[in-house]
Amino acid sequence: EAGVVQSPRYKIIEKKQPVAFWCNPISGHNTLYWYRQNLGQGPELLIRYENEEAVDDSQLPKDRFSAERLKGVDSTLKIQPAELGDSAVYLCASSLVPVSGGTQYFGPGTRLLVL
Amino acid sequence: AQKVTQAQTEISVVEKEDVTLDCVYETRDTTYYLFWYKQPPSGELVFLIRRNSFDEQNEISGRYSWNFQKSTSSFNFTITASQVVDSAVYFCALSEVKAAGNKLTFGGGTRVLVKP
Repeated sequence: EAGVVQSPRYKIIEKKQPVAFWCNPISGHNTLYWYRQNLGQGPELLIRYENEEAVDDSQLPKDRFSAERLKGVDSTLKIQPAELGDSAVYLCASSLVPVSGGTQYFGPGTRLLVL
Repeated sequence: AQKVTQAQTEISVVEKEDVTLDCVYETRDTTYYLFWYKQPPSGELVFLIRRNSFDEQNEISGRYSWNFQKSTSSFNFTITASQVVDSAVYFCALSEVKAAGNKLTFGGGTRVLVKP
């Protein structure tokens, strides 16, 4: 069974440029998560989807970040415009069930460097 | 609020030595889940184990073992007879049942370096 797929794996952009990350979750997993991991730290949740609905986006900086999950499968996370402090690894995860305790499976992440 | 603390930022051992990673958590919930993930240099977080708050049995899986003690709010992880392939960053995480959805709160991670 294929795992969580993310692309691109690496992205280097200049500040004020837009950038987008793509995620394809494990087949059949209705819940999808985007995390940000700063260097030397654990991941922090940005947004959680149950099917097409964003049910927890309280940690998403909405002035510059946006996300969508059309048709309840693939998801895209966008930053516009990017700032130097956005340099981090962006991880996508999925789980079969949205309730607490449902194991989340992570993709390889997209490493973003903003110059 | 939930919190996970991994006091050891980095541990260096020689191959075949045992290594124990500490994890201390804080929660007001009586029902919660604890996880360990491994993050090798490739970057992907690999799921290792999930434990619910009502199951305090220790678990062993090959060279890995976990010691869950509710009395001290700890969920420690031991790698026996370490190998070079065990070199990675290991994260402990907590999910509270009462919290919205399935939010994971991660500790800061412990980097394990196994030298040949």
